[in-house]
Amino acid sequence: GQQLNQSPQSMFIQEGEDVSMNCTSSSIFNTWLWYKQDPGEGPVLLIALYKAGELTSNGRLTAQFGITRKDSFLNISASIPSDVGIYFCAGQLSRGRGNKLTFGTGTQLKVEL
Amino acid sequence: GAVVSQHPSWVICKSGTSVKIECRSLDFQATTMFWYRQFPKQSLMLMATSNEGSKATYEQGVEKDKFLINHASLTLSTLTVTSAHPEDSSFYICSARDGGTPNTEAFFGQGTRLTVV
Repeated sequence: GQQLNQSPQSMFIQEGEDVSMNCTSSSIFNTWLWYKQDPGEGPVLLIALYKAGELTSNGRLTAQFGITRKDSFLNISASIPSDVGIYFCAGQLSRGRGNKLTFGTGTQLKVEL
Repeated sequence: GAVVSQHPSWVICKSGTSVKIECRSLDFQATTMFWYRQFPKQSLMLMATSNEGSKATYEQGVEKDKFLINHASLTLSTLTVTSAHPEDSSFYICSARDGGTPNTEAFFGQGTRLTVV
């Protein structure tokens, strides 16, 4: 199936640093979602974006929906050890009960104390 | 917030046996549930969309006779891996949307680690 490309694949940063990751697609999506997955757990929704150009924050997290509707980025400011995990973007064609998510390839974040 | 629960969290089975995984929405009714498979260090890949009271819709390449899905009630969907083989070992994750609240995102279960020996 289709996958969205995320970069970087992994990153190793110092505590307190800001982090930026992005997600690109060859096709348009009308909803972009960002999830965090801890080892052995299911993904947890961080931010949802519904409008091209939209910039949304959730605490130290900020995400933007690209104006072309083919990309999105996620920023984490002042990283802390509990930010460690795998971050996935996901695209969705439309909101609704039966609509499917297409997941990105993931960005693994490791934080050094 | 809404909770989706999977059972079991992990299971080890012998090759050739069948395994059933349950996905429950604990505080909402889910007309649609989704089943994903995730291999180590990879992303989530959608296997099928489970609709309450009707047949599941499988993604291309997913064998419907091997991965049986039953969504018999608004709070429960089950995935049965039939005649499991070692290559079926994976992390299986379900998600569910609140059918009573339009335009909400799906919540994910905690996943089930299947190991076939």
